Amino acid sequence: GAGVSQSPSNKVTEKGKDVELRCDPISGHTALYWYRQSLGQGLEFLIYFQGNSAPDKSGLPSDRFSAERTGGSVSTLTIQRTQQEDSAVYLCASSLERGLNQPQHFGDGTRLSIL
Amino acid sequence: DQQVKQNSPSLSVQEGRISILNCDYTNSMFDYFLWYKKYPAEGPTFLISISSIKDKNEDGRFTVFLNKSAKHLSLHIVPSQPGDSAVYFCAAKASAQKLVFGQGTRLTINP
Repeated sequence: GAGVSQSPSNKVTEKGKDVELRCDPISGHTALYWYRQSLGQGLEFLIYFQGNSAPDKSGLPSDRFSAERTGGSVSTLTIQRTQQEDSAVYLCASSLERGLNQPQHFGDGTRLSIL
Repeated sequence: DQQVKQNSPSLSVQEGRISILNCDYTNSMFDYFLWYKKYPAEGPTFLISISSIKDKNEDGRFTVFLNKSAKHLSLHIVPSQPGDSAVYFCAAKASAQKLVFGQGTRLTINP
């Protein structure tokens, strides 16, 4: 497909387990972003990648959250020792280039539920 | 500190009429503004954007207006259609900084 692809679409796990979320951006997009949307809230920025490097990690809420991007394409967001407050929809977006005024295009998200 | 605010959590409009969604911001460094539309269980879809050097941008039924002195942004949809029912988010950014989103407005178009 031509859009941003995220997997899994839904994830239910027990508190304390680790989870890994995957994002496959639009081909050719060098910038990749992770956001989360908690119930009734707006989108909260987590981390930004330009290529494989992450110059802006300012939104990661704790050191339990990490992300990586390899080959300038696929990115994984890992949450260790999950807590109930981690329950949210995690959205990935990509754009051609962050510095220019390019819109970000979003995937459909991963709905994460921590029991 | 909420830098981008959408003060109306919901809006109902009759089909065929104009829908006006509003957004206020506080950061005078913002220079690029966007509107996204979101259906349930889907990611936000980019609708329209405007640079701070303009005060209006139009794309079909969608027009975005920017009033820099008032730090106010609005999206006009005319005529409104049932398929326009969704949550609308405004977003803003300064230069190479991250996008900051509002809380969203749920638009319902009534037949």
